[in-house]
Amino acid sequence: GQQLNQSPQSMFIQEGEDVSMNCTSSSIFNTWLWYKQDPGEGPVLLIALYKAGELTSNGRLTAQFGITRKDSFLNISASIPSDVGIYFCAGQEETSGSRLTFGEGTQLTVNP
Amino acid sequence: NAGVTQTPKFRILKIGQSMTLQCAQDMNHNYMYWYRQDPGMGLKLIYYSVGAGITDKGEVPNGYNVSRSTTEDFPLRLELAAPSQTSVYFCASRTDLWGGNQPQHFGDGTRLSIL
Repeated sequence: GQQLNQSPQSMFIQEGEDVSMNCTSSSIFNTWLWYKQDPGEGPVLLIALYKAGELTSNGRLTAQFGITRKDSFLNISASIPSDVGIYFCAGQEETSGSRLTFGEGTQLTVNP
Repeated sequence: NAGVTQTPKFRILKIGQSMTLQCAQDMNHNYMYWYRQDPGMGLKLIYYSVGAGITDKGEVPNGYNVSRSTTEDFPLRLELAAPSQTSVYFCASRTDLWGGNQPQHFGDGTRLSIL
């Protein structure tokens, strides 16, 4: 099946620092999504990207859909303690029920 | 608007027991999905459905069954629980209106331990 490689696996940063994480795929996706998961909860959608090359922002979050449609990155600027959690990238297929393939996640820890 | 509701939130089963994980959504979404998430890993698709009466296998369907008799409900059945099925199970749904790009919305999960 398809695989997404997400990196880094974990990050430990100081409050106020910027963060960057990325995903690469061996296959093309038509939609890239970034989710955040807090402990004991389901993933919550942060940003959705629908076009190759698209750059989208949501507050302090910025994500880009790679030109090749095989990669995406997520940046978080001026991190705050509530940014702690696990961030997942996901590629969405347009056929097969719009199935999602998830990356393995990036565990973010923000030290005050 | 409750969104995607999963019950129970926690369950402990003995090996060989069976149970049904419930998932309901009140958004009139046609597409529904079941995932499992093992510790430190991403979500893997078990089964999905594109509408009432239609189901299809995902990446890891072995040991599970699903049914979709209504738009709202998508139960996941474990017939003979095995320790390898200890995981957190997430249900998700999405609309198929406005094109194919609508994102999936997730429930809060069911934490299942099999001992």
